[in-house]
Amino acid sequence: GENVEQHPSTLSVQEGDSAVIKCTYSDSASNYFPWYKQELGKGPQLIIDIRSNVGEKKDQRIAVTLNKTAKHFSLHITETQPEDSAVYFCAASGGGSQGNLIFGKGTKLSVKP
Amino acid sequence: GAGVSQTPSNKVTEKGKYVELRCDPISGHTALYWYRQSLGQGPEFLIYFQGTGAADDSGLPNDRFFAVRPEGSVSTLKIQRTERGDSAVYLCASTPVGSANTGELFFGEGSRLTVL
Repeated sequence: GENVEQHPSTLSVQEGDSAVIKCTYSDSASNYFPWYKQELGKGPQLIIDIRSNVGEKKDQRIAVTLNKTAKHFSLHITETQPEDSAVYFCAASGGGSQGNLIFGKGTKLSVKP
Repeated sequence: GAGVSQTPSNKVTEKGKYVELRCDPISGHTALYWYRQSLGQGPEFLIYFQGTGAADDSGLPNDRFFAVRPEGSVSTLKIQRTERGDSAVYLCASTPVGSANTGELFFGEGSRLTVL
């Protein structure tokens, strides 16, 4: 089955700097790669996603890149702000089920003012 | 509009007891998902409903776990003979149509289960 690895587990940056989180996946059949942000005591919330027929997608300060050959994808946050502080999860669509997303273990991002 | 609602928000129980966790999805969403999130981990898939039927229950860890969605809206996750290892946040999510790999999962805030 699908396995998703996420790095780093923690990331601390200064306000205004960029943050990059990287994920790798194992199942070449996976075709959908969302990123979720989870604040303390809340459920995860989708911030951006990418499908396997696209190499890069951008939404304001957030961008995601996908390398299907290497089976890795990355989240880039530019001009970070204190409110970006949260836990970020990458995920990949499970090959066997349309309802099954496989999540990474998360990256705790701290943005220091 | 209202989001996904989960009750209770917190549940403390003793080992061996029976627990029910409830999820009320966004109105009109036909697909409903249960995930489990242990401390410091990402959500782990448990079961997915399309309407009233379980389309995929491959993530349920053993036969102590069961979920129903009798009218295609509210769902209940049932855990029998709880064990300390069942302690986690149980997340529910819904989507307008059937597939988590085509669009956003709308998560509730979760039910935190603690088994003493």
